[in-house]
Amino acid sequence: DGGITQSPKYLFRKEGQNVTLSCEQNLNHDAMYWYRQDPGQGLRLIYYSQIVNDFQKGDIAEGYSVSREKKESFPLTVTSAQKNPTAFYLCASIRVAGGWYEQFFGPGTRLTVL
Amino acid sequence: AQSVTQLGSHVSVSEGALVLLRCNYSSSVPPYLFWYVQYPNQGLQLLLKYTSAATLVKGINGFEAEFKKSETSFHLTKPSAHMSDAAEYFCAVSERNSGTYKYIFGTGTRLKVLA
Repeated sequence: DGGITQSPKYLFRKEGQNVTLSCEQNLNHDAMYWYRQDPGQGLRLIYYSQIVNDFQKGDIAEGYSVSREKKESFPLTVTSAQKNPTAFYLCASIRVAGGWYEQFFGPGTRLTVL
Repeated sequence: AQSVTQLGSHVSVSEGALVLLRCNYSSSVPPYLFWYVQYPNQGLQLLLKYTSAATLVKGINGFEAEFKKSETSFHLTKPSAHMSDAAEYFCAVSERNSGTYKYIFGTGTRLKVLA
């Protein structure tokens, strides 16, 4: 079955550590996205990538980094510079068809800083 | 810039009652609008989408939404709530700029269904 996988589902980090969240898709989608979700704030865009080897900052990119070396993969690194990283992180990709576009989501990773 | 407003962060309805979740958007061009549902600790699942083909859009699980340009609204409804509808619902508008596609999400409405 095609879809988006995120791993791990739960992640615990000590303050000062960098951690990398995995996102893989086998939908052959070109564009991929990372969102952060906090209670009562909806989804906020961290980074997005339209094609391989290219990505852009979203609204809250500070303290995060990404890479897009393969079409299928878009890992997110939460660095020690991110002051409040505890949140639910969602990866998504977009299918563009017939002039409209539908965003598909992975199951998410819950990051907790201890 | 486009934006989305969801009125009511929490909505409670009785089982079997009408569900109405409100969404208003701001867009300078004809929008593409979406409703997503999220169950606890899961990703978002598409309920329905408006892409200008028809103003009344039917989605999964008995939900539907009506696009009203004059009111800049895209409210989500379901005639009869079921316990399994308890979840968080997000309205979103898509934005295309120079070949870049982005979504703007509302802050969500948590639906509680009372037995």
